[in-house]
Amino acid sequence: QVQLVQSGAEVKKPGASVKVSCKASGYTFTSYDFNWVRQATGQGLEWVGWMSPNSGNTGYAQKFQGRITITSDTSITTAYMELSSLRSEDTAVYYCARNAPSSGIFDYWGQGTPVTVSS
Amino acid sequence: QAVLTQPASLSASPGASASLTCTLRSGINVGTYRVYWFQQKPGSPPQYLLRYNSDSDKHQGSGVPSRFSGSKDASANAGILLISGLQSDDEADYYCMIWHSSAWVFGGGTKLTVL
Repeated sequence: QVQLVQSGAEVKKPGASVKVSCKASGYTFTSYDFNWVRQATGQGLEWVGWMSPNSGNTGYAQKFQGRITITSDTSITTAYMELSSLRSEDTAVYYCARNAPSSGIFDYWGQGTPVTVSS
Repeated sequence: QAVLTQPASLSASPGASASLTCTLRSGINVGTYRVYWFQQKPGSPPQYLLRYNSDSDKHQGSGVPSRFSGSKDASANAGILLISGLQSDDEADYYCMIWHSSAWVFGGGTKLTVL
């Protein structure tokens, strides 16, 4: 069965970086893209960016440009999201979700990784 | 003005129908967008419900009951999620999403209360 398992909670200081992983299993890793979506406590969903493990292509939300890097390691079927220059407003739960290329059908999601940015 | 606007909350009775709207910003024509819908319950990741563009271009998520359906209201420039035969288990947050300007954009979400 398809599973996306994310790394554990992180606590970071302002200005630091965080790297969250998303381990995929149960399907052909390179046949689906990955998206990262975040959600602050009590707030709505916010799209962060996407990547294709097949092509290596990426796309990022404008507000994160320059601070976000999404990568993958096909040998271990894992996707990564790294966010740098963290600020308190980045405190949120970060989700990975897979989708068929060029589709908004985010059919499987990771369990979420809480990231807290605090001095 | 936000790209997608959803009412913050909606209440409906068990067994009734609920129509959740997702209004696109002026200048963005709903007729040219596929609208995706997600359900999220507290403490859980979102779950994909369905996609609606037209009656000939729609997709139902795996295992999603047929009482969840999508449509569009061109006059209101909105995508609509219709839930019929409401059940207590439908109480959740609902989000719409579109692909706009090379980015996925979510609406602010609607909290549906079934009481």
